[in-house]
Amino acid sequence: AQSVTQPDIHITVSEGASLELRCNYSYGATPYLFWYVQSPGQGLQLLLKYFSGDTLVQGIKGFEAEFKRSQSSFNLRKPSVHWSDAAEYFCAVGPIEYGNKLVFGAGTILRVKS
Amino acid sequence: KAGVTQTPRYLIKTRGQQVTLSCSPISGHRSVSWYQQTPGQGLQFLFEYFSETQRNKGNFPGRFSGRQFSNSRSEMNVSTLELGDSALYLCASSLDRGFDGYTFGSGTRLTVV
Repeated sequence: AQSVTQPDIHITVSEGASLELRCNYSYGATPYLFWYVQSPGQGLQLLLKYFSGDTLVQGIKGFEAEFKRSQSSFNLRKPSVHWSDAAEYFCAVGPIEYGNKLVFGAGTILRVKS
Repeated sequence: KAGVTQTPRYLIKTRGQQVTLSCSPISGHRSVSWYQQTPGQGLQFLFEYFSETQRNKGNFPGRFSGRQFSNSRSEMNVSTLELGDSALYLCASSLDRGFDGYTFGSGTRLTVV
């Protein structure tokens, strides 16, 4: 079955430090992968997506992610974290089955130290 | 362009009642998906509608139902509410297979007391 694993529940980084959030997926075919960010009490905002082509994708707010098929990973990175990046980050794979079902990881809560 | 609109933002209901949540997708988007988000179970897929037809359904009891109207607006209904139904309910809209991405609304926070 399709699944997404985000191994880190919480991550704390200092402002200005680099960030990497891990995501591993299990999917039988070529995956379509997404990273979303959620601030408390809000909906999900799409940071970036990978469908095909260049394995390094650029997103909004200075985020990028690299697709590595051999490792079944799609890790999110940012070279310099800002205090406003504190939020919960979700990796997702889809569409699953017929239609538009997404399967999400459990999320990683990012805390930023000043 | 306007985003995905979910109403109401907050709801408090009593056990045993029923509730209806609404989602208006981005103009031109014909697919609307619904998700339940809870601290314990995370984000779980409820169902998806495309052109008024349910295309896929998650593993939820029959108390959870939905529909989509000809203007692509969607509603979900939960009957006989239980305490465990307290959650943030999110909807997402997209073009057909979502290859342009899925845009989420701000959600409806349902509290069952």
